[in-house]
Amino acid sequence: EPEVTQTPSHQVTQMGQEVILRCVPISNHLYFYWYRQILGQKVEFLVSFYNNEISEKSEIFDDQFSVERPDGSNFTLKIRSTKLEDSAMYFCASSEGQGNEQFFGPGTRLTVL
Amino acid sequence: GEDVEQSLFLSVREGDSSVINCTYTDSSSTYLYWYKQEPGAGLQLLTYIFSNMDMKQDQRLTVLLNKKDKHLSLRIADTQTGDSAIYFCAEILGGSYIPTFGRGTSLIVHP
Repeated sequence: EPEVTQTPSHQVTQMGQEVILRCVPISNHLYFYWYRQILGQKVEFLVSFYNNEISEKSEIFDDQFSVERPDGSNFTLKIRSTKLEDSAMYFCASSEGQGNEQFFGPGTRLTVL
Repeated sequence: GEDVEQSLFLSVREGDSSVINCTYTDSSSTYLYWYKQEPGAGLQLLTYIFSNMDMKQDQRLTVLLNKKDKHLSLRIADTQTGDSAIYFCAEILGGSYIPTFGRGTSLIVHP
């Protein structure tokens, strides 16, 4: 069964460094998403992406964040200058269409020291 | 604004029923979802209910929706150790396709 994959499973970085979190969505899906969950808090929507551009973003998704689909398979989230409060689990998801079920990856745990 | 709340932990004995509860604030919800997250895996859509329904049953799962109280529950009959996971409640508001999640309820099933 096709699934969304994410790498790495755990990323440790120093405050101020740039990180890139990678996702491979399901191959025939057209919509891609990033969510995050700070430990003990709710899963929060960050951004959705369709047709090579951002279709929707939350207020969390500020200028330090960017997303890209660099090739036909990967979908990345870049955090430009990480802060301690960026430590969280980051989930990627994809869906066939905008209103279709979103399939989630296993997440990348980002730890900022 | 929308808000989804659920208790953080539930512990049940194998074979008993589990009931996981969720409350939401926005009455314009169109769909309400239950996702399951097993250790090391992503969130998996378990079941959903459309906001004009009161109940949905799917094998061992029963979803109850009380629109007046904005209360959603997930009942798992004959709970098994394989049901141990985190269960997330989520709502979709009218005009949106992005789910608003709760914090997740960690279900622990012990023998």
